[in-house]
Amino acid sequence: NAGVTQTPKFQVLKTGQSMTLQCAQDMNHEYMSWYRQDPGMGLRLIHYSVGAGITDQGEVPNGYNVSRSTTEDFPLRLLSAAPSQTSVYFCASSLQGPTNEKLFFGSGTQLSVL
Amino acid sequence: AQSVAQPEDQVNVAEGNPLTVKCTYSVSGNPYLFWYVQYPNRGLQFLLKYITGDNLVKGSYGFEAEFNKSQTSFHLKKPSALVSDSALYFCAVRDRSASKIIFGSGTRLSIRP
Repeated sequence: NAGVTQTPKFQVLKTGQSMTLQCAQDMNHEYMSWYRQDPGMGLRLIHYSVGAGITDQGEVPNGYNVSRSTTEDFPLRLLSAAPSQTSVYFCASSLQGPTNEKLFFGSGTQLSVL
Repeated sequence: AQSVAQPEDQVNVAEGNPLTVKCTYSVSGNPYLFWYVQYPNRGLQFLLKYITGDNLVKGSYGFEAEFNKSQTSFHLKKPSALVSDSALYFCAVRDRSASKIIFGSGTRLSIRP
């Protein structure tokens, strides 16, 4: 199993450009989520999904869109990148429930917005 | 609303000494609680979780954590620190009535030889 796969690993954008960060998991996890990691701020939840067709906002959703058309994929879209979105982005997935719950993380995408 | 606080940005411990990394949480219902570790230039890895039952849970690499409902705390502990334990540690919480998982700001653990 590949686990959680994120692409790209690195990206540089200019202000105003758009892009999509890809996330795929092959563990049949219903829960998928996106976090951003900034120094001193920890991991902040951007958006999450509990299944195909269902998404919801996290702590810092502004400037980001998501969709979940399949169980496996959960792309994160930046419609108009801003320097404040410079960060490391992590996708994570999990089963939910008392027995098997734990997040599996991708290796991260380092994004710089100039 | 659910939240997690890790009051210490950094914890410094000598190798062989016990270590504690603190975490307090706030949820409206009953929590699921987690600890994750991040080594340099890596994603996060699961260490342990509290779901129900015994308040002392054991996890990977000799770590354990104690759930204290009255103090709303879930401190991470290890009896004897190793230099290889040096990393960034995150506490996380999920309210059982919700789906989202919220993380704390992280604590950098530094173990000196």
